[in-house]
Amino acid sequence: AQSVAQPEDQVNVAEGNPLTVKCTYSVSGNPYLFWYVQYPNRGLQFLLKYITGDNLVKGSYGFEAEFNKSQTSFHLKKPSALVSDSALYFCAVRDITGGYNKLIFGAGTRLAVHP
Amino acid sequence: DTGVSQDPRHKITKRGQNVTFRCDPISEHNRLYWYRQTLGQGPEFLTYFQNEAQLEKSRLLSDRFSAERPKGSFSTLEIQRTEQGDSAMYLCASSTLDRGDEQYFGPGTRLTVT
Repeated sequence: AQSVAQPEDQVNVAEGNPLTVKCTYSVSGNPYLFWYVQYPNRGLQFLLKYITGDNLVKGSYGFEAEFNKSQTSFHLKKPSALVSDSALYFCAVRDITGGYNKLIFGAGTRLAVHP
Repeated sequence: DTGVSQDPRHKITKRGQNVTFRCDPISEHNRLYWYRQTLGQGPEFLTYFQNEAQLEKSRLLSDRFSAERPKGSFSTLEIQRTEQGDSAMYLCASSTLDRGDEQYFGPGTRLTVT
């Protein structure tokens, strides 16, 4: 079965410092990987995805993610964190068992950026 | 795109009552998904529509749950005889293969069963 794991419940970082939110995956076949962000009382917003090609994927709001096949990881990164980046971040993998596309999400990582 | 909308945003109901939620996807999106999210967890897949056809249902979707998408536009999710364990955020998402099939989510309906 496809799965993703987010090993950190919370990540704390100072504004202006680089941030990393970790995700590891377990899939059969080629992984389709996604990052979403959730702000309070709002739905999930799509940040970026990896399907194939360059291992470094660039997304919205200055975020990027690095796909590492040997480590089965897809960590989310940003060179310089903003206080407004504070939110809940979800890693997800596409699951097509059953024949149709759906997303399997991790439990989420809360990012807190301190001024 | 006006985005995915869901109604109502919040619903409080007593155990045993029936509730119905509505989702309006992005207009050109033919794929529609329902997910459920409980506190401290990521969303879990419930069901998938392609146009008006319901093509996949999760084992999480018990017999008390039913979803429809008449005419392939908006969708409804009904829960009959609600239980306290049904309390969760119900999220709707839509996508189209023509635009990379990324799923775009609505704001969700938060259900509280008392």
